[in-house]
Amino acid sequence: ETGVTQSPTHLIKTRGQQVTLRCSSQSGHNTVSWYQQALGQGPQFIFQYYREEENGRGNFPPRFSGLQFPNYSSELNVNALELDDSALYLCASSLVDRGNTGELFFGEGSRLTVL
Amino acid sequence: GESVGLHLPTLSVQEGDNSIINCAYSNSASDYFIWYKQESGKGPQFIIDIRSNMDKRQGQRVTVLLNKTVKHLSLQIAATQPGDSAVYFCAETLNQAGTALIFGKGTTLSVSS
Repeated sequence: ETGVTQSPTHLIKTRGQQVTLRCSSQSGHNTVSWYQQALGQGPQFIFQYYREEENGRGNFPPRFSGLQFPNYSSELNVNALELDDSALYLCASSLVDRGNTGELFFGEGSRLTVL
Repeated sequence: GESVGLHLPTLSVQEGDNSIINCAYSNSASDYFIWYKQESGKGPQFIIDIRSNMDKRQGQRVTVLLNKTVKHLSLQIAATQPGDSAVYFCAETLNQAGTALIFGKGTTLSVSS
């Protein structure tokens, strides 16, 4: 158990719809990162949030957006869903201290299927 | 572009054997490397990490070796157990806030008893 919880665990959407995924970070952590993991692949970095602001972004279009709340929990929003968005979405929390990132603790993920 | 790759997609070993999982990285600027274990239906679990100022680090039953000259990383698991069966990913990054972990595609380790 990492203390990082994600919801929902599974969901099914259709093309064009919007989805919101949620993540509660481990106690004491101030940073949340989101990763997309397609079947059979390694996770790919979407973005990171620190102090409620985006603090780094991977090669994902603007329809992928996020929020971080004062309690350090986070949301990932994906608009205009496409079939290729079907994946496991992983949230990871960490403690950033003096500019250095600490160990990432991953949640179990939210499995999104787009039909 | 930057990528982290693993030499073999699958590795099958007998219980009690030692396992070696290899990884090649391409970004010579990366200074922090991590091995993760991912079991079916779960998120990646931290195993061991190593910084670029080291060439070896040992944990409980696991050892990570870093060869910066050839940009190679390996994970050694001693006395492999059935519970070690999982997908193993290496990941590289710059140890700076906001920097992504770049994962390889993974090696599936199967341990038979």
